[in-house]
Amino acid sequence: AQSVTQPDARVTVSEGASLQLRCKYSYSGTPYLFWYVQYPRQGLQLLLKYYSGDPVVQGVNGFEAEFSKSNSSFHLRKASVHWSDSAVYFCVLSARDTGYQNFYFGKGTSLTVIP
Amino acid sequence: AQTIHQWPVAEIKAVGSPLSLGCTIKGKSSPNLYWYWQATGGTLQQLFYSITVGQVESVVQLNLSASRPKDDQFILSTEKLLLSHSGFYLCAWSLEGASAETLYFGSGTRLTVL
Repeated sequence: AQSVTQPDARVTVSEGASLQLRCKYSYSGTPYLFWYVQYPRQGLQLLLKYYSGDPVVQGVNGFEAEFSKSNSSFHLRKASVHWSDSAVYFCVLSARDTGYQNFYFGKGTSLTVIP
Repeated sequence: AQTIHQWPVAEIKAVGSPLSLGCTIKGKSSPNLYWYWQATGGTLQQLFYSITVGQVESVVQLNLSASRPKDDQFILSTEKLLLSHSGFYLCAWSLEGASAETLYFGSGTRLTVL
């Protein structure tokens, strides 16, 4: 069965430090993978997506993610975080099963950036 | 450009009262539409999806119903609210057939049931 695991419920980093948020997926086919960010009391915004080609994809605000088929992972990275990056980050797998496109969400990682 | 508008922004309702939340998508023809529910601090739970007007599929049973009366409109409703309905409701759309079918979310409706 398809699933997404974000093993870290909460991550705290200092401003200016590098960041990695982990995501593991389970899917036997070709995955479409996404990272979304949710700021307090707002909807989800798309950060980046991967569906083929270069395994490193660039997103908005300096975020990037690397797809690894061998590790079934799609980790999100940022070289230097800013306090405004504090938010909840969701990893999402899209898979066409049961005849239509399904979206599988991780439980989210809450990021706190401290000054 | 496509836009998605959810209404209302927030609601405070009494247990047992009716509810209607709405979502309108402009700039896209025949999108797939979704309702998601998010408990406070929680993950997203898909409630309904619709691929065409008049056709809605239920994913989980939460004493809620959904309808798609027009191509660009998706309505979530119930006749009797429960305390457990409190949370954040998100509408989303995607475009079938796109190279990487992507979900785009509205800004959400915060529902408090007292």
